[in-house]
Amino acid sequence: KAGVTQTPRYLIKTRGQQVTLSCSPISGHRSVSWYQQTPGQGLQFLFEYFSETQRNKGNFPGRFSGRQFSNSRSEMNVSTLELGDSALYLCASSLAIRGLNEQFFGPGTRLTVL
Amino acid sequence: AQKVTQAQTEISVVEKEDVTLDCVYETRDTTYYLFWYKQPPSGELVFLIRRNSFDEQNEISGRYSWNFQKSTSSFNFTITASQVVDSAVYFCALSEALTGGFKTIFGAGTRLFVKA
Repeated sequence: KAGVTQTPRYLIKTRGQQVTLSCSPISGHRSVSWYQQTPGQGLQFLFEYFSETQRNKGNFPGRFSGRQFSNSRSEMNVSTLELGDSALYLCASSLAIRGLNEQFFGPGTRLTVL
Repeated sequence: AQKVTQAQTEISVVEKEDVTLDCVYETRDTTYYLFWYKQPPSGELVFLIRRNSFDEQNEISGRYSWNFQKSTSSFNFTITASQVVDSAVYFCALSEALTGGFKTIFGAGTRLFVKA
């Protein structure tokens, strides 16, 4: 069974640009969550999508947005990039059934903002 | 509010030593889930174990064991006879059941160095 895939793996952007990251969950998983990982803040929850609807959202500004498609694939968008957005962005998928909500993570997209 | 504390930032041991990684959590929910994940140098988080709040039974899986104690809100992880391949960052996480979904909070992680 294929794992969670994320594209691209590495990205370099400049301040003010926008970026779109993609995540394909494990087949059959309907929940996709996004996390930002930085050395200073650790793993921080961005948002969770389930059946194309955002169910939960972390404490991030509106520049961070996402969506989920009917095939459960998800995209995350960051507009007006800031230097502080440099991070590893992790996507995780889950069956999201009570008692079976462990998340399986992709390899991440490392974003560098110059 | 939910919170996960991993007080040990870094631990260094010599191969074959036993090591325990501490995790203390805070939650007001009666139904919640606890997890441990491993993040090796490659960067991808690997799921190790899930435990729900109603199951305090300890678990052993090979060299790994977990001790869940609701009375002290702790979910500690022990590696027996550590190996160099165990070197990684280990995260403890708490997931509360919200209306319509789950939200998972991770601890800051404990970096484990196992020296040969």
